Amino acid sequence: DAGITQSPRHKVTETGTPVTLRCHQTENHRYMYWYRQDPGHGLRLIHYSYGVKDTDKGEVSDGYSVSRSKTEDFLLTLESATSSQTSVYFCAISESLATFYNEQFFGPGTRLTVL
Amino acid sequence: EDQVTQSPEALRLQEGESSSLNCSYTVSGLRGLFWYRQDPGKGPEFLFTLYSAGEEKEKERLKATLTKKESFLHITAPKPEDSATYLCAVQRGGADGLTFGKGTHLIIQP
Repeated sequence: DAGITQSPRHKVTETGTPVTLRCHQTENHRYMYWYRQDPGHGLRLIHYSYGVKDTDKGEVSDGYSVSRSKTEDFLLTLESATSSQTSVYFCAISESLATFYNEQFFGPGTRLTVL
Repeated sequence: EDQVTQSPEALRLQEGESSSLNCSYTVSGLRGLFWYRQDPGKGPEFLFTLYSAGEEKEKERLKATLTKKESFLHITAPKPEDSATYLCAVQRGGADGLTFGKGTHLIIQP
């Protein structure tokens, strides 16, 4: 998994509670991404980061916030979880644009269930 | 809006029976097209990146090709361990997120 860990790997929570998912990398890659994967939709981008404290929104960012205070950690927060946020969440990392090859490498995923 | 369409949704082959998976895309200013393999309960595993029409890349029994409108993933003499979901994705800018298709679920029967 290219030195990427996600925690927790599984979580069950209730509607209205806050939830934070963590992505940790040991590759020192500059770019980090959060995706969600749902049946019938494929993988969709939530937020991404292009450096410490630099983040931007993706396709499905409503209801989510992110933070990156260190190169190695990218946090995804659901401020008030809803059942529609039940999904599998994947973190991905990518090297600096200084290299031509910018493929993204994915973590093992976090399965989140909101009851 | 970037779009990626993969076909077929599912494919069942006999061991040794070669075939191709299709990925059609519309994106303004393609930076790269990516193929991933995903096993159940795991994250996508990177296979190939293609950058320009006419480019081809190979890895074991897999070969990926790219035209201006689509990409093919050719599987030659597949084995049961090639069973997985194969994902295609496009990227517009170098730091942008990927836009994924819904995948092709491939089953190789012994």
